[in-house]
Amino acid sequence: SQQGEEDPQALSIQEGENATMNCSYKTSINNLQWYRQNSGRGLVHLILIRSNEREKHSGRLRVTLDTSKKSSSLLITASRAADTASYFCATDATTDSWGKLQFGAGTQVVVTP
Amino acid sequence: DSGVTQTPKHLITATGQRVTLRCSPRSGDLSVYWYQQSLDQGLQFLIQYYNGEERAKGNILERFSAQQFPDLHSELNLSSLELGDSALYFCASCGAPDTGELFFGEGSRLTVL
Repeated sequence: SQQGEEDPQALSIQEGENATMNCSYKTSINNLQWYRQNSGRGLVHLILIRSNEREKHSGRLRVTLDTSKKSSSLLITASRAADTASYFCATDATTDSWGKLQFGAGTQVVVTP
Repeated sequence: DSGVTQTPKHLITATGQRVTLRCSPRSGDLSVYWYQQSLDQGLQFLIQYYNGEERAKGNILERFSAQQFPDLHSELNLSSLELGDSALYFCASCGAPDTGELFFGEGSRLTVL
């Protein structure tokens, strides 16, 4: 079963626009991470936010975390065609074994030039 | 390039057969994680090894087994294959235990006919 549910399932935008995707989860977490996957390729780590953090930035990425609502959002600003990919949120709920992640179903983002 | 190497990239086999997937983690990483990505189940954690010992288990079928060798490479063995085992199998490694960030290989795509 998947811990995270992402919304929307798919997103189509034009270059230069912002892309926002949301993730909801069910149980308490230690951290929440976002990964990107280009079609058929491996996952690439984008950003990690810990349960005691509310917002984090990395380049054009902004992640928020609301533990009271068990939700997170990923904002990609000034999108580029190269941002076309699937984006997954993943939660880490364990303290004795980091990296046992539960992934959401992903948001497929298409950025058109 | 994540530094995690997986072989083979593609594998086609028949039901009832057995296959072995191989993974070499990033240099210096002691942990290896196996994940399965399928259309119906999404990304699922299978198993984790740390420095040769099993550390955590997820939704891994009894027909599947894994091990990590003294040189830290890992193998995932899948036996009595069924059509539903067709999936992308990812290996990932982790740096410092508390960073939480996983580095994924490019995956092994298994097709069971």
